This record gives sequence, C-alpha cells and structure tokens, in this order.
Amino acid sequence: EADIYQTPRYLVIGTGKKITLECSQTMGHDKMYWYQQDPGMELHLIHYSYGVNSTEKGDLSSESTVSRIRTEHFPLTLESARPSHTSQYLCASSLDIGGGSGYTFGSGTRLTVV
Amino acid sequence: GNSVTQMEGPVTLSEEAFLTINCTYTATGYPSLFWYVQYPGEGLQLLLKATKADDKGSNKGFEATYRKETTSFHLEKGSVQVSDSAVYFCALSEKYSSASKIIFGSGTRLSIRP
Repeated sequence: EADIYQTPRYLVIGTGKKITLECSQTMGHDKMYWYQQDPGMELHLIHYSYGVNSTEKGDLSSESTVSRIRTEHFPLTLESARPSHTSQYLCASSLDIGGGSGYTFGSGTRLTVV
Repeated sequence: GNSVTQMEGPVTLSEEAFLTINCTYTATGYPSLFWYVQYPGEGLQLLLKATKADDKGSNKGFEATYRKETTSFHLEKGSVQVSDSAVYFCALSEKYSSASKIIFGSGTRLSIRP
C-alpha cells in the first residue's frame, strides 16, 4: 500500500518540452526529497523541502525546479527537457529524520528525453 | 563529513547460499543506520534499521547489527532466494541534527541463481 505517489511512472518526451513530475504523500510528512538515480544506481539528492514554502537545492546541481505550496504535494518541473535529463527520478518523504524514522519512497518516474 | 561505503557489486550467489554485504560508515555524531532494497523498476523500500549501538535490525530473514567499535552495519541472510535479487543500499542519518537528510551508499546489486 503506497502512501507516496509519483506520476507518471514512465514518460518519453521530446527535447525542449516542459514537464512536471508529480509527487504526493498522504502521511502528513513535513520533509520531502527528490533524488535522481543514474544507471549505475547511485542516488543524487537534487531538491528537498522542510515544509510549506521551504525548498532547498541538494548536493547535485540540477536545472529542475520544485515548489511546496501544500504539505502533501512536491512537484518537480523541467522548463526545457534535454537528453541529459534522461534518468529515474525518485521522490521521498520523512516524518522525523533526526529521530531515525527514515524515508518512505515513491515508485519513481523513469524519464526519457529524445 | 558523513559517508557510507558499501561492498561493490555485482554479487552473484546460488539459491540457499549465505549472504553478506559489507557496509561501513563515517559519522561525526550518533547516526541511525538503514538498509534499503530496490527491486527492478521500483523505488527504494526500507528493509531494516538500527538506531543505537548494538541494536540488531531484522526483516524477511535479513539481519544487520550496529557495531560502533568497527563503524559497521553489515547485511546478512542465512539462505537467499531468487526473489532476493535486487539492489541493496546502506544508509545513515544523523540524529538530533538539523541536516535532515539520509546519506546513501552507492548500492550493491545482488543476483541469485536458481
């Protein structure tokens, strides 16, 4: 039973298009995260949020942007998609990182830009 | 800074073999430690965790013990099954820290032969 939802699961889109990857959670978690996962499996944090109207850039520079207008919703937008954006994008949320609660992950969006 | 180093893969075993995936960490404070599993085409799922020294996390036949003296959190399973084929990530989070992020290892791909 998924409590964090990502849509779409798969997306193939042409270069230059604007896209938004959706992420929603029903757990009331304040903290949310976006990771980019390369084919070598490694996870790279690209954005995170500690709550409504709070967003920060992660460890890996990304041309994408995020917004957090509602607690449950943390969409990621690419204004102009390029082939270099082809990757798996994973969304996660957490109740209490400092207390050891860990992340809950969505199923991911696999993006292919042609 | 905090970091996680885990055994490089891929690891290939026969069904019913004993599994160990090594994980060591560097942390300035008192981390919580995690193992996540990623099945093909899916997001990451929390497999087990330990929040203080000498704690043992366990789930689905997998175990890992938090060893502060060796800064390790090795994953073990006594008898693996084909269904255990997946990518395994060791991870840590700092307790009582404002960082509020999980640090992941690079992942170990496990393949089990029937």
